[in-house]
Amino acid sequence: NAGVTQTPKFQVLKTGQSMTLQCAQDMNHEYMSWYRQDPGMGLRLIHYSVGAGITDQGEVPNGYNVSRSTTEDFPLRLLSAAPSQTSVYFCATMKQGPEAFFGQGTRLTVV
Amino acid sequence: SQELEQSPQSLIVQEGKNLTINCTSSKTLYGLYWYKQKYGEGLIFLMMLQKGGEEKSHEKITAKLDEKKQQSSLHITASQPSHAGIYLCGAPTNTGGTSYGKLTFGQGTILTVHP
Repeated sequence: NAGVTQTPKFQVLKTGQSMTLQCAQDMNHEYMSWYRQDPGMGLRLIHYSVGAGITDQGEVPNGYNVSRSTTEDFPLRLLSAAPSQTSVYFCATMKQGPEAFFGQGTRLTVV
Repeated sequence: SQELEQSPQSLIVQEGKNLTINCTSSKTLYGLYWYKQKYGEGLIFLMMLQKGGEEKSHEKITAKLDEKKQQSSLHITASQPSHAGIYLCGAPTNTGGTSYGKLTFGQGTILTVHP
């Protein structure tokens, strides 16, 4: 099992460019989430999904879009990248229990 | 909304020393999770605490949730270089209910262990 797979691992964007961060899971978990990690701020929730076709905003959703057309995939779209979106992005999945499974992260730099 | 405050923000210890990391919540905790992160990698689940006064151990790491369920501590005994990394506490964002995949995290504690 691959678990949670995030691509790409590293990305540099110019201000104003758009891109999609991919997240795929093979554990058949209902819940999927996107977090961003910034120094001294821990992880902050961007968007989450409780199942295919259902998404909702987290703590810091501005500038990001998500969709969940299948159980397995939960892509995160940056519509018009800004330097403030420079961060490390993590995708996570959960079932009913407490343990969240995280991908390896995508390190994004916006210049 | 619930907030989690971790202390200290960073810790440097000599191998073999004991250490404690604290996580304090602004509200009653209905579940408290500890995760470890190595640089450049994702988070690894360590353990979960739910009941006031509960204590769990995994190898040389022990975590406790106080009786009032608003603070947790993570204690490492006889630290080793393999313990180095970032430790984060997390809790369901929806207090009193199912997390639905929404977790709130503390800001993390960076642990360095010198051999």
